[in-house]
Amino acid sequence: DAGITQSPRYKITETGRQVTLMCHQTWSHSYMFWYRQDLGHGLRLIYYSAAADITDKGEVPDGYVVSRSKTENFPLTLESATRSQTSVYFCASTEVGSPLHFGNGTRLTVT
Amino acid sequence: GENVEQHPSTLSVQEGDSAVIKCTYSDSASNYFPWYKQELGKGPQLIIDIRSNVGEKKDQRIAVTLNKTAKHFSLHITETQPEDSAVYFCGPQGNTPLVFGKGTRLSVIA
Repeated sequence: DAGITQSPRYKITETGRQVTLMCHQTWSHSYMFWYRQDLGHGLRLIYYSAAADITDKGEVPDGYVVSRSKTENFPLTLESATRSQTSVYFCASTEVGSPLHFGNGTRLTVT
Repeated sequence: GENVEQHPSTLSVQEGDSAVIKCTYSDSASNYFPWYKQELGKGPQLIIDIRSNVGEKKDQRIAVTLNKTAKHFSLHITETQPEDSAVYFCGPQGNTPLVFGKGTRLSVIA
């Protein structure tokens, strides 16, 4: 089935550990995005990608790394997790002038 | 970058009443104006959208109106039902990276 999937659904990690959140879409959309959602802040853009091998920073990129070697995948890495990165993370994909398609999110807790 | 503001942040209505949520934006290049609904534990999903060459669009109980001159668009829900309770986001699209409003939590009281 076509769609966008995120994994894992839930993750608990310790401060200082590296964590990678996965995102896979089957539509071959050009654009992919990572957002974090925190109470009172809505959806904040972390990084986005316009095509394979093209990535750019959003509003809150510090502490995160992304890559896009293939059109369908857009992993998000927290190189050294901090408690302030406890959040729900959403991946999305789209084409220009079309709505975003969101995954169901990854709930990350950093202890 | 784009500045997007959404009002109100919370809204409570009686079942059957109407609800209106307004989104203002700053990027004059924005040309696509979607509204998303987010239910608990899920990602946001598109419920209605409008393009810059149209002033209003309706889909059953949901409508979106656009005022490009004033740079705002609004979501209208009529005859609200308990299943309309959710968080709603606007996300105007133009030349700048996609930024969303902070969301409106709608509660429909039966």
